Amino acid sequence: AQSVAQPEDQVNVAEGNPLTVKCTYSVSGNPYLFWYVQYPNRGLQFLLKYITGDNLVKGSYGFEAEFNKSQTSFHLKKPSALVSDSALYFCAVRAGGYQKVTFGTGTKLQVIP
Amino acid sequence: NAGVTQTPKFQVLKTGQSMTLQCAQDMNHEYMSWYRQDPGMGLRLIHYSVGAGITDQGEVPNGYNVSRSTTEDFPLRLLSAAPSQTSVYFCASRTGTSGGGWAQYFGPGTRLLVL
Repeated sequence: AQSVAQPEDQVNVAEGNPLTVKCTYSVSGNPYLFWYVQYPNRGLQFLLKYITGDNLVKGSYGFEAEFNKSQTSFHLKKPSALVSDSALYFCAVRAGGYQKVTFGTGTKLQVIP
Repeated sequence: NAGVTQTPKFQVLKTGQSMTLQCAQDMNHEYMSWYRQDPGMGLRLIHYSVGAGITDQGEVPNGYNVSRSTTEDFPLRLLSAAPSQTSVYFCASRTGTSGGGWAQYFGPGTRLLVL
């Protein structure tokens, strides 16, 4: 079985400050890890993914994520938050060779002007 | 490309009624899936398909049927709607049915209310 935990329902950060949205996972074998963002009344949009290689992956809109195998974590980060980053963020995992993707419960990011 | 499209955007049903949620993609993706999104529960996989004629169950398949007669279309059928099926439904597609970390493309969603 595979699972994803997003321990924070909401993260508040001031505009211009760095942000981190946490994600931990459990999977058998090598994981494929994803971050998606959802704006109000919209579908999910892909931000970035980790497959293999460099533990720091860069994605859309200035976001990046760090894969840490020993801590089974894949935290989303951005050096300087924008008000327009306010949205719902989902972490997801898929085991290699396995079709199903498991999503976390989501973290609401609120960037305060 | 239109990407992934879903119809209708919003639907109200009475308990016991049936309906079909439509999903279509124009990217020639092999893999398509249906999720439901409920507050505090994230996205849960209902059914998925790895190609025309091939479907399988996800985490929460009860009360839903699917079929995949073409690569483009993947409708979700509610046979007898129940209030517990009130949710927002998302269709998604991706390429690559084996291996690879392919990102999914999501439709805009269908908001369903069952009274």
